[in-house]
Amino acid sequence: EVQLLESGGGLVQPGGSLRLSCEASGFSFRSYAMSWVRQAPGKGLEWVSVINYSAGTTDYADSVKGRFTISRDNSKNTLFLQMDSLRAEDTAVYYCAKAQSSVTTTALDSWGQGTLVTVSS
Amino acid sequence: DIQMTQSPSTLSASVGDRVTVTCRASQSIDSWLAWYQHKPGKAPKFLIYGASRLESGVPFRFSGSGSGTEFTLTISSLQPDDFATYYCQHYNSYPYTFGQGTNLEIK
Repeated sequence: EVQLLESGGGLVQPGGSLRLSCEASGFSFRSYAMSWVRQAPGKGLEWVSVINYSAGTTDYADSVKGRFTISRDNSKNTLFLQMDSLRAEDTAVYYCAKAQSSVTTTALDSWGQGTLVTVSS
Repeated sequence: DIQMTQSPSTLSASVGDRVTVTCRASQSIDSWLAWYQHKPGKAPKFLIYGASRLESGVPFRFSGSGSGTEFTLTISSLQPDDFATYYCQHYNSYPYTFGQGTNLEIK
């Protein structure tokens, strides 16, 4: 059974940084692309970032480009999202999601429960 | 960027009803479309990919159709567990945008 467990969320001041982690199990992590998706309070889902199986390809939503960095450690089955220069509008539940294949042009077939990030002074 | 527009935003229906949600893309995405079900406090659930391919384990009452810019998600006979918010998402090109969601509520 695929399991994705996010951690690292919390309260941070505007301009601060936070690093989210997603520990994966139940599948061959190194063989699949991974994504981060977020949901702000009362809003819909927003795609944030994607990384292919080997970390050779990444991409970001315009709203986070230049501030967020996605990465992965295939030896530890873990996905990361480094979030810098945080803004109030980054407040959201952040979900880790597994792609259907190794490449990034696929749907997201498994999701974690999410971790809450609150940006406030 | 490709914009995804869902309609309606809210849909009131009863158990046993047949319901349809529409998703329109601002430009052609071929069949690079997925549908998800999301309940408050839970992980989103993957339902359909390739516009019409049912994910393994998803009940057959769910179906998807369309290509290009017009897509639909149909639930043939609503069950109590189906009341949730539904999202379409394209994966044709970055960014992989979602529709704004359709809240399916009990009438």
